[in-house]
Amino acid sequence: TQLLEQSPQFLSIQEGENLTVYCNSSSVFSSLQWYRQEPGEGPVLLVTVVTGGEVKKLKRLTFQFGDARKDSSLHITAAQTGDTGLYLCAGDVNYGQNFVFGPGTRLSVLP
Amino acid sequence: DTGVSQDPRHKITKRGQNVTFRCDPISEHNRLYWYRQTLGQGPEFLTYFQNEAQLEKSRLLSDRFSAERPKGSFSTLEIQRTEQGDSAMYLCASSLQGLSPLHFGNGTRLTVT
Repeated sequence: TQLLEQSPQFLSIQEGENLTVYCNSSSVFSSLQWYRQEPGEGPVLLVTVVTGGEVKKLKRLTFQFGDARKDSSLHITAAQTGDTGLYLCAGDVNYGQNFVFGPGTRLSVLP
Repeated sequence: DTGVSQDPRHKITKRGQNVTFRCDPISEHNRLYWYRQTLGQGPEFLTYFQNEAQLEKSRLLSDRFSAERPKGSFSTLEIQRTEQGDSAMYLCASSLQGLSPLHFGNGTRLTVT
């Protein structure tokens, strides 16, 4: 059974601070996605990473895929209140036949 | 393209009743997934269709759960003889074939009383 762990589970920071959240597994994934979810809504895709060692930037968000394609990190620079939400990572087990999700990091950015 | 839509958004039912949820995926997506999410947890895989064929089914899916995608377009998820433990958000997602991410609907929140 593939398992994804995410840390920290909860994070509360002030607006303007930087933060990093982590996604770790003992399994290798064909690709890995990061999603953000707000209460009462479905997860919304932020990024897909495919190649080991890959780094992708999306405005203030930087995503990194580990060299062995088992882990990933998300770094947010100068957090804003609009970044508040549940950040989920998901590993693609077999080219889209099954995606395994971590439990998420719940981020709260305070004004 | 209006994205993935799910109906109903909320369902309250009494224990022992049957419920059915519907998912309309993005029209050109041939893959469709059902996930279940409980409070404080990430989505948990239930089942996956490629076109009309159900190719993967989680061991977590008891015999009371059945999903169909008869024409390879919309899908239904039925839960028979609901139990309180079935209370959760049921999420549907679709994707294209290959290394394509999931596009989620806003879910159906089921409460079993």
